[in-house]
Amino acid sequence: GENVEQHPSTLSVQEGDSAVIKCTYSDSASNYFPWYKQELGKGPQLIIDIRSNVGEKKDQRIAVTLNKTAKHFSLHITETQPEDSAVYFCAANIQGGKLIFGQGTELSVKP
Amino acid sequence: NAGVTQTPKFRVLKTGQSMTLLCAQDMNHEYMYWYRQDPGMGLRLIHYSVGEGTTAKGEVPDGYNVSRLKKQNFLLGLESAAPSQTSVYFCASSYGRVHEQFFGPGTRLTVL
Repeated sequence: GENVEQHPSTLSVQEGDSAVIKCTYSDSASNYFPWYKQELGKGPQLIIDIRSNVGEKKDQRIAVTLNKTAKHFSLHITETQPEDSAVYFCAANIQGGKLIFGQGTELSVKP
Repeated sequence: NAGVTQTPKFRVLKTGQSMTLLCAQDMNHEYMYWYRQDPGMGLRLIHYSVGEGTTAKGEVPDGYNVSRLKKQNFLLGLESAAPSQTSVYFCASSYGRVHEQFFGPGTRLTVL
């Protein structure tokens, strides 16, 4: 079946450093790649998404890049802050309007 | 707007008991989804619906049933709960096929 692989599973950075999370996907027809942030005890919340007609998208300290040829996409967080600490999920769409999620990355930002 | 709400927030069941989880959305979304979240496995799709009166199977549908009698509600049923169904369940909704999914706060279910 289709799948999305996400790395690393845990990531610890110092406040102010950058954090990068990488995902690969298997379905060459995927054209929508959202990133979700999940804080403890809450549901996931969309932080940024990218569609296959662009290679990069930025929103303040967050950016996502997409390499369709290699089937890779990545989340970049610059100038990390303690409130960025959470679990981050990547996802890719597949047939029928469904999303396949990666396994998640637990990001810890140390003050 | 309340967004996506889920009832109940917590539940403990004994093996073999049944229950229904309720999801409601007030955004007039066509698509609704049920996921389960287990440690290290991300979110896995159980069932989904592309509109009122329709349902379809996701990745892990066995042991669950769903119904979408009203556009704003999506029910997830467990007919005979098993310990393997211990998980956190999330409902989500979206406007269309390739649009942001909005998630509810989750239901933590423990099956003893």
